[in-house]
Amino acid sequence: EIVLTQSPATLSLSPGERATLSCRASQSVSSYLAWYQQKPGQAPRLLIYDASNRATGIPARFSGSGSGTDFTLTISSLEPEDFAVYYCQQRSNWPLFGQGTRLEIK
Amino acid sequence: QVQLVESGGGVVQPGGSLRLSCAASGFTFSSYGMHWVRQAPGKGLEWVAFIRYDGSNKYYADSVKGRFTISRDNSKNTLYLQMNSLRAEDTAVYYCAKDLHWNTVTYFDYWGQGTLVTVSS
Repeated sequence: EIVLTQSPATLSLSPGERATLSCRASQSVSSYLAWYQQKPGQAPRLLIYDASNRATGIPARFSGSGSGTDFTLTISSLEPEDFAVYYCQQRSNWPLFGQGTRLEIK
Repeated sequence: QVQLVESGGGVVQPGGSLRLSCAASGFTFSSYGMHWVRQAPGKGLEWVAFIRYDGSNKYYADSVKGRFTISRDNSKNTLYLQMNSLRAEDTAVYYCAKDLHWNTVTYFDYWGQGTLVTVSS
């Protein structure tokens, strides 16, 4: 079974700063990786799919990159509403999520 | 706009059963695969089950295989999850989610607000 490992577990940054979140797969998932944002008490929201495609309505400050086993979600300049938990998800086998990265205000 | 509204959650004793429903609107329900995804309190996301757009194929996580059954009624735009032999570890918020594509398991582009299932004596 493919395992997704997200790092760091918690990222403390200030509004306006650049955020870089990592997701590493235990074996290649090609480009079949997505990123989600979840705020407290809310359902997750799809941000990026197939590693680098922004979902409908997602601001351009969110971008995804990577292939194979190493993937990155970048938020170019943090807005106050971006502080949340972020999950990666692979679809190579059955859907499987990483354990999440909490992005908190410094 | 796409809307997914879950219902049917509640408190149930271990070994009991519950049926969740998800009413869909704002898109052609009969053209997309649908999923159930759950999240235990304070924990991460776990995919539970998928049903193809026409109901012809169903897939389950190992943790629920043989106990849960996913189904759909395209005439009512409704997704279901029948949960039997419930265990304490099934306690979670259950989300229904639409697949991004029509024919296979990919990603979850729309989610409901979730319904809480608590398994406790």
